[in-house]
Amino acid sequence: ETGVTQTPRHLVMGMTNKKSLKCEQHLGHNAMYWYKQSAKKPLELMFVYNFKEQTENNSVPSRFSPECPNSSHLFLHLHTLQPEDSALYLCASSKQGTGSYEQYFGPGTRLTVT
Amino acid sequence: AQTVTQSQPEMSVQEAETVTLSCTYDTSESDYYLFWYKQPPSRQMILVIRQEAYKQQNATENRFSVNFQKAAKSFSLKISDSQLGDAAMYFCAYNLNNAGNMLTFGGGTRLMVKP
Repeated sequence: ETGVTQTPRHLVMGMTNKKSLKCEQHLGHNAMYWYKQSAKKPLELMFVYNFKEQTENNSVPSRFSPECPNSSHLFLHLHTLQPEDSALYLCASSKQGTGSYEQYFGPGTRLTVT
Repeated sequence: AQTVTQSQPEMSVQEAETVTLSCTYDTSESDYYLFWYKQPPSRQMILVIRQEAYKQQNATENRFSVNFQKAAKSFSLKISDSQLGDAAMYFCAYNLNNAGNMLTFGGGTRLMVKP
């Protein structure tokens, strides 16, 4: 296990539900990320937070709403999702200012939208 | 925009043999980082190896080494003495130095290891 945890690991939700994904990092990092991983597609960066401030939003639909209350926690709030949103959602963190910006990933949440 | 291409969707190797995974990238920059990540069936993405573009020496980590050809914009991963636990998806990634958070990933190569 790395120092990045995600809950839940699996989630099944209907299109009218509201749910949240949680990510926590124990590495002392100050940047956190949400990625979407779909079958046969490259990892898609969704959101980036630096020092709790959102710095990137890669044209993600508003039914995905991120929240970063502090440098250790990151949430992804979900509402009125579509079946095509079914995917593996990965959280990652990194230490800014070190140069290489290598990212450390959590185990992911497997989301199924019915 | 930077792009990363992994032209081999799937590769297989016999246990104890050597395999090379290919990666090419497109950039006009000269200072950047390249990474190989491994994603086993358990889904935890793990950093395997890192290469700084300003270093001519190829990075090595135990059985993993890279062949970094900057002029050709090529960054292949060699796995020696392959083990069953090496079976996974392998992703090549690029990060422009001091550009903050923008990691660009390739599409991945699925490596199968035959006993």
